[in-house]
Amino acid sequence: GENVEQHPSTLSVQEGDSAVIKCTYSDSASNYFPWYKQELGKGPQLIIDIRSNVGEKKDQRIAVTLNKTAKHFSLHITETQPEDSAVYFCAAMKNAGNMLTFGGGTRLMVKP
Amino acid sequence: NAGVMQNPRHLVRRRGQEARLRCSPMKGHSHVYWYRQLPEEGLKFMVYLQKENIIDESGMPKERFSAEFPKEGPSILRIQQVVRGDSAAYFCASSQERGPNNEQFFGPGTRLTVL
Repeated sequence: GENVEQHPSTLSVQEGDSAVIKCTYSDSASNYFPWYKQELGKGPQLIIDIRSNVGEKKDQRIAVTLNKTAKHFSLHITETQPEDSAVYFCAAMKNAGNMLTFGGGTRLMVKP
Repeated sequence: NAGVMQNPRHLVRRRGQEARLRCSPMKGHSHVYWYRQLPEEGLKFMVYLQKENIIDESGMPKERFSAEFPKEGPSILRIQQVVRGDSAAYFCASSQERGPNNEQFFGPGTRLTVL
């Protein structure tokens, strides 16, 4: 089955700096890669996603890149703000699938 | 449009008791997914249901766990004879259709503590 690895497990940055979180996946059949933000005591919220037919997608301060050959994808947050502090999860899904396979999560701390 | 609703938000059970977790999907969504999150870990898929049918239960333990999504009413995840290792956050998600073109929206979760 699919296996998703996520790094780093914790990340601390100064407000205004950029943050990068990386994930690798094992199953070449996966073609949908969402990123979720989870705040304390809440469920995961989708912040951005990318499909395998594109290499990069951007939404304001958030961008995601995908390298299908290397089977890895990354989340980039620019101009970080304290409210960006949360746990971020990457995930992968196959074309004909229905379940998301999640990475282990990254706890991002943005220091004011 | 209310999001995915889960109740209870917190549930405490003693070993050997039964736990019933409820999930009401978003309006118009007929696909429901249950995930389990152990402390400091990512979410792990358990089961996928579509109205009255279990489509994929490959992530659900073979014993003590069951799920249903009746024609009327919420989806239920039932854990019989709970053990301490069942303590986790259980999240429900719903989507309008299946597959990678349809976002899964997550509920706030039920945090189960087994004493």
